[in-house]
Amino acid sequence: GAVVSQHPSWVICKSGTSVKIECRSLDFQATTMFWYRQFPKQSLMLMATSNEGSKATYEQGVEKDKFLINHASLTLSTLTVTSAHPEDSSFYICSAAAGVTGELFFGEGSRLTVL
Amino acid sequence: AQKVTQAQTEISVVEKEDVTLDCVYETRDTTYYLFWYKQPPSGELVFLIRRNSFDEQNEISGRYSWNFQKSTSSFNFTITASQVVDSAVYFCALSGPNTGNQFYFGTGTSLTVIP
Repeated sequence: GAVVSQHPSWVICKSGTSVKIECRSLDFQATTMFWYRQFPKQSLMLMATSNEGSKATYEQGVEKDKFLINHASLTLSTLTVTSAHPEDSSFYICSAAAGVTGELFFGEGSRLTVL
Repeated sequence: AQKVTQAQTEISVVEKEDVTLDCVYETRDTTYYLFWYKQPPSGELVFLIRRNSFDEQNEISGRYSWNFQKSTSSFNFTITASQVVDSAVYFCALSGPNTGNQFYFGTGTSLTVIP
């Protein structure tokens, strides 16, 4: 089946630094990728929809200047958490849509801890 | 509006018991897809099943079975003879062609199987 790979799986950084998370579709082209955020014991919250070659669409309440999304190719989307703070610590998950089947393939997730 | 409700926040069962996880959804679309995902402690979402709105046949896969009832907008998931390895958070989700492949997740049900 389709595979989506996320990197890094774990990242610890100091407050004020920026962190980049990569999401790759390994065996299919994904014109649309989604970024989710999950707090402990909570559901996945959609942050933004990333479309190849265009600006991302952010959900209400998500700061686009803080969470920079770039979808430069059909197989790669990146999420950069700029000037990270402890409240940004969370589990970030990307997903990609393959074709028109309505199915999403999820990455393994990236756990960010900001000290 | 799309919405998925998982009323059971936490469930504990003793190993070998059967357990049913409830999922109720809301949508105005006639074509939609329903999913169940398992999220073990590692965090990665594991795809379990996808069901489209035109297929109301119940499905069985090993110890897992799903009951799709459009009349009550429910898509319940039953694990028979539960095992400790089934302990995880289970998410029900809804998507469709009219949502741009965006997923709407329920809040999840945390299942603990006690040995």
